[in-house]
Amino acid sequence: KNEVEQSPQNLTAQEGEFITINCSYSVGISALHWLQQHPGGGIVSLFMLSSGKKKHGRLIATINIQEKHSSLHITASHPRDSAVYICAVKRNYQLIWGAGTKLIIKP
Amino acid sequence: GAGVSQSPRYKVAKRGQDVALRCDPISGHVSLFWYQQALGQGPEFLTYFQNEAQLDKSGLPSDRFFAERPEGSVSTLKIQRTQQEDSAVYLCASSLAPRPLKTEGYTFGSGTRLTVV
Repeated sequence: KNEVEQSPQNLTAQEGEFITINCSYSVGISALHWLQQHPGGGIVSLFMLSSGKKKHGRLIATINIQEKHSSLHITASHPRDSAVYICAVKRNYQLIWGAGTKLIIKP
Repeated sequence: GAGVSQSPRYKVAKRGQDVALRCDPISGHVSLFWYQQALGQGPEFLTYFQNEAQLDKSGLPSDRFFAERPEGSVSTLKIQRTQQEDSAVYLCASSLAPRPLKTEGYTFGSGTRLTVV
């Protein structure tokens, strides 16, 4: 069993829809990252959180340490949000990565 | 520089050829990481440097893989006698703190896509 599980693996939605991507992990962590990877591009760190909730623009990330679960939400989704979203948990100095969720937003 | 720079951006190697991948971290960043990302997968940890010291190389898949950071800044990942299964994106990340604390983030490079034919 993978230590970090993401769902769904693939998600296609219409512009404007509310998007939720989930991440569950099975190990003790010190922080959790949500990252965005565009095709052919590098990885951009969106959030790092260890408790509660963070918001940047249309992106919201939440984490429940007791349940070992985090969610990434995108409000008013736009085609430029199309990318792979990766959840990674931080244990000591290492990041343990999920396989990613490929998001496609259609106009 | 302003970000983590990796070169080359793309590399095609013939099976058996040696390759060297370069990472220029953000100036002053103490921690440097290499990750390997196979197609459709999340990145896998390869190795970690704190300044010039390679503190963890547990993720290197075989003794054909070698990484160095001799002056505590630029790092090179070398793969000897490349095999087709080495085809992947190799990502470099740096962080200001040694053993990054939970309040520290990572800055990633754009990666080097290695294709072994």
